[in-house]
Amino acid sequence: QKEVEQNSGPLSVPEGAIASLNCTYSDRGSQSFFWYRQYSGKSPELIMFIYSNGDKEDGRFTAQLNKASQYVSLLIRDSQPSDSATYLCAASSQAGTALIFGKGTTLSVSS
Amino acid sequence: KAGVTQTPRYLIKTRGQQVTLSCSPISGHRSVSWYQQTPGQGLQFLFEYFSETQRNKGNFPGRFSGRQFSNSRSEMNVSTLELGDSALYLCASSLVGLAGPSYEQYFGPGTRLTVT
Repeated sequence: QKEVEQNSGPLSVPEGAIASLNCTYSDRGSQSFFWYRQYSGKSPELIMFIYSNGDKEDGRFTAQLNKASQYVSLLIRDSQPSDSATYLCAASSQAGTALIFGKGTTLSVSS
Repeated sequence: KAGVTQTPRYLIKTRGQQVTLSCSPISGHRSVSWYQQTPGQGLQFLFEYFSETQRNKGNFPGRFSGRQFSNSRSEMNVSTLELGDSALYLCASSLVGLAGPSYEQYFGPGTRLTVT
């Protein structure tokens, strides 16, 4: 059974701090990794994707991938109360046509 | 560019009935995937269509089926509804339907199905 594991949280950080979200995956055949943000009652919104080992930065967000350790992370710098949401990590299946999702980490940013 | 649209947004059905949900992908996207989201199980993959062909299917019973039309619009059907089918059903579209880069999926707003 291919799995993606995330700590459910809640992860609480003060406004302006760095939030660090982590994810591990079991399928070594996964090639693509995604971070989605989901507000309560809304659908998931794609915020970052990464395919190669290393870091990828986009604004306040940095995704990190380590395929040897089967580990993906998302850093959110200068966290804002509007970042409070559930963050879903997803890995592509080996066939590439499906995403396997973790159950999400709830982030709470206090002002 | 318009996003993924799903209809209806909310649906209430009775056990034993069947339901059809519709999804229109982002213009130019040819891959459509369906997911079920519940509080207990999270987001689970149902199936994926590309150019009218089902290429992948998740671990759901045969009561769940789908299809894709030549304009890339997709429908999913659930027959003989059970209480446990109550969930948010999400459709996602992708520009490229192959493994590797450029397989970002963009979700629609979902259809909230309640089975009573």
